[in-house]
Amino acid sequence: ETGVTQTPRHLVMGMTNKKSLKCEQHLGHNAMYWYKQSAKKPLELMFVYNFKEQTENNSVPSRFSPECPNSSHLFLHLHTLQPEDSALYLCASSQDMGLTGSSYNSPLHFGNGTRLTVT
Amino acid sequence: AQTVTQSQPEMSVQEAETVTLSCTYDTSESDYYLFWYKQPPSRQMILVIRQEAYKQQNATENRFSVNFQKAAKSFSLKISDSQLGDAAMYFCALTSGTYKYIFGTGTRLKVLA
Repeated sequence: ETGVTQTPRHLVMGMTNKKSLKCEQHLGHNAMYWYKQSAKKPLELMFVYNFKEQTENNSVPSRFSPECPNSSHLFLHLHTLQPEDSALYLCASSQDMGLTGSSYNSPLHFGNGTRLTVT
Repeated sequence: AQTVTQSQPEMSVQEAETVTLSCTYDTSESDYYLFWYKQPPSRQMILVIRQEAYKQQNATENRFSVNFQKAAKSFSLKISDSQLGDAAMYFCALTSGTYKYIFGTGTRLKVLA
């Protein structure tokens, strides 16, 4: 049990397809993240949701659309992607331990990722 | 802006030997947290060790320890008694306590039998 589960593990899609990535966390965390991992580049933060509210949108193209129906589930809807969008997409969660005036989050807990190939 | 630099794309170590992975960072924050994550072929990023910047004592977790040099903004990871299962990508990461975690480009560690 990894605590953070991502499906599918692999996805191949054409540029005109619509698909969704799913992430579910069983850790009782209240913050969830989407990261993009490309070869030889640092992890890129895409979106952050805290208590189901989106708190970060890191200049991500609109062909990526996140959805967070509750604090345990996170989706990434994909539409008309480009070949350069091929990458490993990682979901993560953390617990916002911040009190008023503090903002410390617990370390990130990651899923196994979805390997996306856009053809 | 915060940055994390891992200057060693790849390292090799003999089984049972010790290896040190380097990480330097830059931040203007006085309070921050540093992490080392391991990513094996299974792709899941696993937390190896973390260090709070306000703590002078270096963190240790079994065979893993860090050398935290705050003034030099250096945060290296030492793996003792290396095992075949330690082979993975290792990422250094920094956060100032917000939702933004800054990651380095990673170091691929090979363990030779």
